[in-house]
Amino acid sequence: SAVISQKPSRDICQRGTSLTIQCQVDSQVTMMFWYRQQPGQSLTLIATANQGSEATYESGFVIDKFPISRPNLTFSTLTVSNMSPEDSSIYLCSVYGIYGYTFGSGTRLTVV
Amino acid sequence: TQLLEQSPQFLSIQEGENLTVYCNSSSVFSSLQWYRQEPGEGPVLLVTVVTGGEVKKLKRLTFQFGDARKDSSLHITAAQPGDTGLYLCAGAEEYGNKLVFGAGTILRVKS
Repeated sequence: SAVISQKPSRDICQRGTSLTIQCQVDSQVTMMFWYRQQPGQSLTLIATANQGSEATYESGFVIDKFPISRPNLTFSTLTVSNMSPEDSSIYLCSVYGIYGYTFGSGTRLTVV
Repeated sequence: TQLLEQSPQFLSIQEGENLTVYCNSSSVFSSLQWYRQEPGEGPVLLVTVVTGGEVKKLKRLTFQFGDARKDSSLHITAAQPGDTGLYLCAGAEEYGNKLVFGAGTILRVKS
């Protein structure tokens, strides 16, 4: 399967600040996705990252809050902007390529 | 909006017992996947089923995809403590597109 490097693995941030999460894949992939997961719960899709164009956001998620970049076929970033304690969660990068779907190990974010 | 209903939400059983997890939807999926996730890790793919009526076996795990491709089940035989984890089903309307996840089943196998 594809190998995903997601950074940082965890962070503690002050409310009102922003955090950018990076997702690097070791091979070119067709699709890249960003999910949010509360501990012990399921995954909710935030958006599909599109290469060279604006991401496609799911209902309840907006670009101003979660800006996403995907400059090429192997890299994407998700920014969590103007954070509040409600943004505390695990954020996961996922890709789809020739090996099927693969998930990163996630970024555990705590907002204080 | 496609939805996947997964049950049960929690399962605590003794080592050696059998269990089944269900995933149901009113929508048709082109593929359905089962994942297992441990704390601090991302979901790890167990199996993908794509054909209605398909049955796949992975050691003590048996996966079924419903004939109409709207439902699926995961059956574990003789559960072991190492099976403990969060099990997730996920469906794709079109394979390669975004996945819709069920709510997850937290399984605890006691020795």
